Amino acid sequence: ILNVEQSPQSLHVQEGDSTNFTCSFPSSNFYALHWYRWETAKSPEALFVMTLNGDEKKKGRISATLNTKEGYSYLYIKGSQPEDSATYLCASLNAGNNRKLIWGLGTSLAVNP
Amino acid sequence: EAQVTQNPRYLITVTGKKLTVTCSQNMNHEYMSWYRQDPGLGLRQIYYSMNVEVTDKGDVPEGYKVSRKEKRNFPLILESPSPNQTSLYFCASSSQRLLSETQYFGPGTRLLVL
Repeated sequence: ILNVEQSPQSLHVQEGDSTNFTCSFPSSNFYALHWYRWETAKSPEALFVMTLNGDEKKKGRISATLNTKEGYSYLYIKGSQPEDSATYLCASLNAGNNRKLIWGLGTSLAVNP
Repeated sequence: EAQVTQNPRYLITVTGKKLTVTCSQNMNHEYMSWYRQDPGLGLRQIYYSMNVEVTDKGDVPEGYKVSRKEKRNFPLILESPSPNQTSLYFCASSSQRLLSETQYFGPGTRLLVL
């Protein structure tokens, strides 16, 4: 079984702080890396889908980078706001998984006003 | 509005009483999937479907059945629910055309089996 690991498990920051967290995934037979944002009592919403080594994507104050050779992705939040509080999930799609995403356990972010 | 809907959103039932959780999407997606989410375990796939009449087991299929008679619907059936199936369930859909497709999630169904 291929594992996807996220760190840290949880994070508390002050409003205005910038922060980042990590997703580690199997680098062999890599197809795609997904990032989702999951707010309490809601369903996960897609942030980014990344496929190319060196890829960088940005959505407002949130950005992500991808290193497929070493098997990691970073998610950055610039100037955190209380509404950024959520669990951030990543999932890896690798050949041989028969189109199944392998999910990490998430990083829970709490932004204090 | 593009969306995935699930019903019911909340359900309390008793052991052995058959139930069905419905899932419907309006995006003409070929691929649909059911997940369960349990504390400390993350999202685990139960069953998935590549297209109409094509279904396959995910990581935790025991105790569940699915069907895909129409493209838009993918119901999850618990023939004889047990307390270990108490969980938060999500249905998701995506286009099959690309390998790197975004998953669109339904609002979730919280199930308690007594």
